Amino acid sequence: LAKTTQPISMDSYEGQEVNITCSHNNIATNDYITWYQQFPSQGPRFIIQGYKTKVTNEVASLFIPADRKSSTLSLPRVSLSDTAVYYCLVVNNAGNMLTFGGGTRLMVKP
Amino acid sequence: EPEVTQTPSHQVTQMGQEVILRCVPISNHLYFYWYRQILGQKVEFLVSFYNNEISEKSEIFDDQFSVERPDGSNFTLKIRSTKLEDSAMYFCASAAASGYTDTQYFGPGTRLTVL
Repeated sequence: LAKTTQPISMDSYEGQEVNITCSHNNIATNDYITWYQQFPSQGPRFIIQGYKTKVTNEVASLFIPADRKSSTLSLPRVSLSDTAVYYCLVVNNAGNMLTFGGGTRLMVKP
Repeated sequence: EPEVTQTPSHQVTQMGQEVILRCVPISNHLYFYWYRQILGQKVEFLVSFYNNEISEKSEIFDDQFSVERPDGSNFTLKIRSTKLEDSAMYFCASAAASGYTDTQYFGPGTRLTVL
């Protein structure tokens, strides 16, 4: 599976839009990009998944350019409760284990 | 919304003792997983389980570990002889299927402390 690279940490303020970019240069044709969120002492929680272009749900948007070598998770108007670690993962249908990297620690300030 | 549950939330044990961590996956799910997260480190895959057998396991999942689905609802992880380095959060997850579009839902975790 393609290795992912994302910022270790980011700071933001309440009400701002936050964009977290993940690079996955060696992504394969069958791979999808998936993002999870983890609060302290809790299990990871699925946020969004996509293959290409743009995906939007009630929580976030995911932008994937045509070459699919990177992706950007966009969180609109963050609040203090969005403070968490965000993980970018590459998944495919050949295996069912999830491989987590270090994630991006987002701190939302008042 | 259905959720994965885990018990106990915190388990303290002495080195060398056996522990059993319990999970109740979401009721119509068929694929089950255990992950662990040592404090301050990454979430690591341990094992996946489908149709009453192990599908995949990591190098961490050695002979000290075993999994079982003793009845129609529970999914357990047993560590036979705990070591200090087994101290971690253990997360159970379940999925309806194993394809890339099938979300894995995680439980709240069991914090295992080995003294």
